[in-house]
Amino acid sequence: GAVVSQHPSWVICKSGTSVKIECRSLDFQATTMFWYRQFPKQSLMLMATSNEGSKATYEQGVEKDKFLINHASLTLSTLTVTSAHPEDSSFYICSARDLVGTGAEQYFGPGTRLTVT
Amino acid sequence: AQRVTQPEKLLSVFKGAPVELKCNYSYSGSPELFWYVQYSRQRLQLLLRHISRESIKGFTADLNKGETSFHLKKPFAQEEDSAMYYCALAAFWGSNYKLTFGKGTLLTVNP
Repeated sequence: GAVVSQHPSWVICKSGTSVKIECRSLDFQATTMFWYRQFPKQSLMLMATSNEGSKATYEQGVEKDKFLINHASLTLSTLTVTSAHPEDSSFYICSARDLVGTGAEQYFGPGTRLTVT
Repeated sequence: AQRVTQPEKLLSVFKGAPVELKCNYSYSGSPELFWYVQYSRQRLQLLLRHISRESIKGFTADLNKGETSFHLKKPFAQEEDSAMYYCALAAFWGSNYKLTFGKGTLLTVNP
């Protein structure tokens, strides 16, 4: 089946620094990738939708200057958390939609645990 | 705007008992509905979708447009079914495709 990977799986950074998270579709091409945030024991909250070669579409309330998304190729999207603060600590999950798949299936990455100290 | 409601945060049943996880949705268009499952320490994975009308791991879900529901059912729960279950609705929002999740139901199947 289709696989989505994320790197790193966990990261600890100091307040004020920036962190980049990579999301790759390993065996399929994804025109659309999604970034979610999940707080402990809560559901996934969509942050932004990333289309290859174009600007990401951010959900209401998500700061696009803080959460920079780049989708440079059909297999790679990156999320950069700029000037991170402790409140940015969370579980970030990416997802990719199969370019040629039937229906509207999304495949999810394993997530990246970000801790900002 | 679309919305997915899972009224039960927690659901606990005994092995062999029937289980039903409730999901209601709100959407003005024609919905595509899914159930996703997240086992402990694993990634989210698709369990089933309404357009397939299939049974996966003994689970079924029927879309009821009149009641705007997509409840997940299994006649005989197994311990390995213990997991977090999310109902999700897919729709086009502007020019984008968007998947909206419910808050999830944690199912525990006791021996």
